[in-house]
Amino acid sequence: GAGVSQSPRYKVAKRGQDVALRCDPISGHVSLFWYQQALGQGPEFLTYFQNEAQLDKSGLPSDRFFAERPEGSVSTLKIQRTQQEDSAVYLCASSLMRPVGTGELFFGEGSRLTVL
Amino acid sequence: KQEVTQIPAALSVPEGENLVLNCSFTDSAIYNLQWFRQDPGKGLTSLLLIQSSQREQTSGRLNASLDKSSGRSTLYIAASQPGDSATYLCAVRSNAGNMLTFGGGTRLMVKP
Repeated sequence: GAGVSQSPRYKVAKRGQDVALRCDPISGHVSLFWYQQALGQGPEFLTYFQNEAQLDKSGLPSDRFFAERPEGSVSTLKIQRTQQEDSAVYLCASSLMRPVGTGELFFGEGSRLTVL
Repeated sequence: KQEVTQIPAALSVPEGENLVLNCSFTDSAIYNLQWFRQDPGKGLTSLLLIQSSQREQTSGRLNASLDKSSGRSTLYIAASQPGDSATYLCAVRSNAGNMLTFGGGTRLMVKP
């Protein structure tokens, strides 16, 4: 597709359930990022992939959060045993790797997670 | 650790006004700076990207400037329109890493 695609757009989970959020980046984009955005705040970094390698996961808030990108394209963010504080919009972004690209990030529409 | 601050947090102006949104960052060793627009319930739309070697970028009624030494960027919107109402986010990409660090955003409302 032409842009970054995320699914589902909306997810309601009961506390304690596991959820999986999918990101399909722009074709050919080597870099992929996950961000978490709480209501009324700017996005916070979660993790970064270069191809299939997860180079930075310093932003993952707990070991309940896990991300993968096994073939260097589609990525999945998994949250185990969801808690109410996990309620947020999860944004995925992709970009061409420096120095080939400008480093500009392109974002998807996000997946809004509500934990009841 | 890079920190990004945006002032004001919210702004309401009548249609037609020229306005300036401010962004400051603590670490001047940046690779680039990007301004985004976010409409309610939507993702982020990239508006302007300024590389560290550049001083400004323009797109239509938008002009973004960058002063690395003072750790500041401004987004200038000329002749504002109600359709400009949205949240504007500033984000900095540091030399040390690959991630963008975001400010908290400025919520803009342009009244007809």
